[in-house]
Amino acid sequence: ETGVTQTPRHLVMGMTNKKSLKCEQHLGHNAMYWYKQSAKKPLELMFVYNFKEQTENNSVPSRFSPECPNSSHLFLHLHTLQPEDSALYLCASSPKRGSGIGETQYFGPGTRLLVL
Amino acid sequence: AQTVTQSQPEMSVQEAETVTLSCTYDTSESDYYLFWYKQPPSRQMILVIRQEAYKQQNATENRFSVNFQKAAKSFSLKISDSQLGDAAMYFCAYYRDDKIIFGKGTRLHILP
Repeated sequence: ETGVTQTPRHLVMGMTNKKSLKCEQHLGHNAMYWYKQSAKKPLELMFVYNFKEQTENNSVPSRFSPECPNSSHLFLHLHTLQPEDSALYLCASSPKRGSGIGETQYFGPGTRLLVL
Repeated sequence: AQTVTQSQPEMSVQEAETVTLSCTYDTSESDYYLFWYKQPPSRQMILVIRQEAYKQQNATENRFSVNFQKAAKSFSLKISDSQLGDAAMYFCAYYRDDKIIFGKGTRLHILP
């Protein structure tokens, strides 16, 4: 275990549904990330939060909406998704942006999402 | 723009043997970090090894070591005495200025 948990682990949703993915880290880190992992594609960074402030949005469609209420929790709200959004969504955290120690990422187990 | 290339989608190695996974990257920067991450089947991705670009000495972690060739922009991972638990997807990653870029990964099979 890396100290980063994600729920649910598996999710099936229709294109008209609204659901949320949750990530929690117990490491005292200040930066949190959402990644999308699709088959045969590189890991795609979606969002970055540093001290609860969003610092990166890699041209992610608005049907994905992140929320970071505090440094330990990160959510990804999903609505009106498309079948091509089916993927493994990984959450990660790191100690502190700009700490100079290199951005070692601690990953959660992921949520396997299937959009029907 | 920076890119990370892992040219071997899959590799196999006999248990107890040594295997080398390749990674090349493209950057115009001189100061950055490189990582190898391991993602076992249905398990969490974890850091294997990290290299600071300003350090000439190759990083090592027990059976894992890297061959960092900065001029050639190459960052290969060597696994010695391969074990069944080493079977996983291995991702090479580049980090600088709040941006991290991953390669597509290499799936490593360990043959008993």
